[in-house]
Amino acid sequence: EPEVTQTPSHQVTQMGQEVILRCVPISNHLYFYWYRQILGQKVEFLVSFYNNEISEKSEIFDDQFSVERPDGSNFTLKIRSTKLEDSAMYFCASSDRALLPNQPQHFGDGTRLSIL
Amino acid sequence: GESVGLHLPTLSVQEGDNSIINCAYSNSASDYFIWYKQESGKGPQFIIDIRSNMDKRQGQRVTVLLNKTVKHLSLQIAATQPGDSAVYFCAPDSGYSTLTFGKGTMLLVSP
Repeated sequence: EPEVTQTPSHQVTQMGQEVILRCVPISNHLYFYWYRQILGQKVEFLVSFYNNEISEKSEIFDDQFSVERPDGSNFTLKIRSTKLEDSAMYFCASSDRALLPNQPQHFGDGTRLSIL
Repeated sequence: GESVGLHLPTLSVQEGDNSIINCAYSNSASDYFIWYKQESGKGPQFIIDIRSNMDKRQGQRVTVLLNKTVKHLSLQIAATQPGDSAVYFCAPDSGYSTLTFGKGTMLLVSP
């Protein structure tokens, strides 16, 4: 069964450094998402992306964050200058249609980001 | 904003029992609901979904019930197995293209 793959599984970075998290969505999917989950807390929406542009973003997704689809298969999340509070699991998801109408998002297994 | 809550943070059952996981949501505009399962160290895994024009949907060993009047969902798992042990989330749509997750319910299945 096709799946969303994320790399690396664990990223350790010094505070203030840039980090890029990578995702390969399911191949025929057109809608891409990033979510994060701080330890012990809810999964939170960050950003959605369609047709090479951001569709929606949350308040969390400030100027330090950016997303890119550099080629036909990868979807990346960049954090420009990491802060301690960016430590979390970051999940990429994709779907072949918009959530409305009614298409579930399929998630990768996440990248654990640890900021020192 | 959207608030999604779960009635039971932890549910412990015996193998073979039926499990019921409940979810309350607050956004009456939510039109589509997804149940996800999350095992330790993994991402949310799609289980089943339901649209607001339905009140019941069945999958393999799972049934979702939706009561829009009281803004309540339940996930029923038949003949629960140890492999079903995980955190279960209900995720209503937020009215846009995003999902809103609660903290989840931990299901613990004892052999």
